[in-house]
Amino acid sequence: KQEVTQIPAALSVPEGENLVLNCSFTDSAIYNLQWFRQDPGKGLTSLLLIQSSQREQTSGRLNASLDKSSGRSTLYIAASQPGDSATYLCAVLYSSASKIIFGSGTRLSIRP
Amino acid sequence: NAGVTQTPKFQVLKTGQSMTLQCAQDMNHNSMYWYRQDPGMGLRLIYYSASEGTTDKGEVPNGYNVSRLNKREFSLRLESAAPSQTSVYFCASSELAGGRALDEQYFGPGTRLTVT
Repeated sequence: KQEVTQIPAALSVPEGENLVLNCSFTDSAIYNLQWFRQDPGKGLTSLLLIQSSQREQTSGRLNASLDKSSGRSTLYIAASQPGDSATYLCAVLYSSASKIIFGSGTRLSIRP
Repeated sequence: NAGVTQTPKFQVLKTGQSMTLQCAQDMNHNSMYWYRQDPGMGLRLIYYSASEGTTDKGEVPNGYNVSRLNKREFSLRLESAAPSQTSVYFCASSELAGGRALDEQYFGPGTRLTVT
């Protein structure tokens, strides 16, 4: 079964720290992987999209990496700020499917 | 551009009632999706439409029907609502290339549905 897992479910760190969120997937035959941010009571906002041929993508303080062989992606957030507090979800498009499978998310809290 | 819009934002139904959730996108995307989000379970795909005139079942289609009215609009209907359908419903759209969704998915703000 093709699954996407995010651990931990929740994370709290003090402001200013660099942090890493993890996403793992069970099948290395992926088409792309996307990281989203979701604020409470809101929809999802796309942060970064990594194609299967890429190893990383960067946007501002965010860097997402992809290691297909180990079935892992990480989202690195530099110099965290209270405004980064949100739930972060990763989603994988498997090559054998035309739909995206989501992880259950990591709820991030940045303490001032 | 408004992006992806959904109506209504909130809805309370009694068991057995029916309703239709509306979704529209103004990005000229081919592909549209309906998801439900439940606590601790991430998003699960209900139905999707790869292009105008086509619809396919996702992971959890039972109890739902969809209509791709035109390229812009994709509606989700609950014919006889059940408490298990209490959830937050998200519509999304993306562009298709070669039959697969390569580009980013853009999400609407969601509809919070409670079935009592």
